[in-house]
Amino acid sequence: DAGVIQSPRHEVTEMGQEVTLRCKPISGHNSLFWYRQTMMRGLELLIYFNNNVPIDDSGMPEDRFSAKMPNASFSTLKIQPSEPRDSAVYFCASSLSGDGPYEQYFGPGTRLTVT
Amino acid sequence: GEDVEQSLFLSVREGDSSVINCTYTDSSSTYLYWYKQEPGAGLQLLTYIFSNMDMKQDQRLTVLLNKKDKHLSLRIADTQTGDSAIYFCAESASGTYKYIFGTGTRLKVLA
Repeated sequence: DAGVIQSPRHEVTEMGQEVTLRCKPISGHNSLFWYRQTMMRGLELLIYFNNNVPIDDSGMPEDRFSAKMPNASFSTLKIQPSEPRDSAVYFCASSLSGDGPYEQYFGPGTRLTVT
Repeated sequence: GEDVEQSLFLSVREGDSSVINCTYTDSSSTYLYWYKQEPGAGLQLLTYIFSNMDMKQDQRLTVLLNKKDKHLSLRIADTQTGDSAIYFCAESASGTYKYIFGTGTRLKVLA
């Protein structure tokens, strides 16, 4: 298996622009997680899906952030409009829910820089 | 509330053992995990332990769990320079599939 795939790996954009990050989970996994990592706040869970349904979006910073999972093999995280404080590494992870142990497998991340 | 704490830094000499510690607060966590993050990479699952176990050994890695004190540790035997990375502990939040991650411990191995 190719593992969790994220694109792009790096994104540089100007403040106010729309940014879309993409994730392809591991085939057969039914839970998907979006995280943000910064030096100041560490690793934060933004949202997670189970069977394509958003279960917990309490970590989404504000309305500028939205996430979708139209099918089991694809998810997007969109920021519109982007701001410099959104600069971070965004990770997608997937797992197989059920009886456990719920191992999460992480993608390589997208490094976002908003200028 | 739920919180997972780790010390920020650890420095050891190559060949020595490293012990990375973690404390957590959710006593109902079913599983606890250790992840490794190398520079510029995503998090890689190293090992996990079920909450009814006290110890788990996997090659150079030994995980100890003290449920009474809510303390988890990761021991790396014969630490190598390739072990230099950030190590995260995490607990599975009760009743959900999501994790609560610690702040991460940066391990530096000196040659």
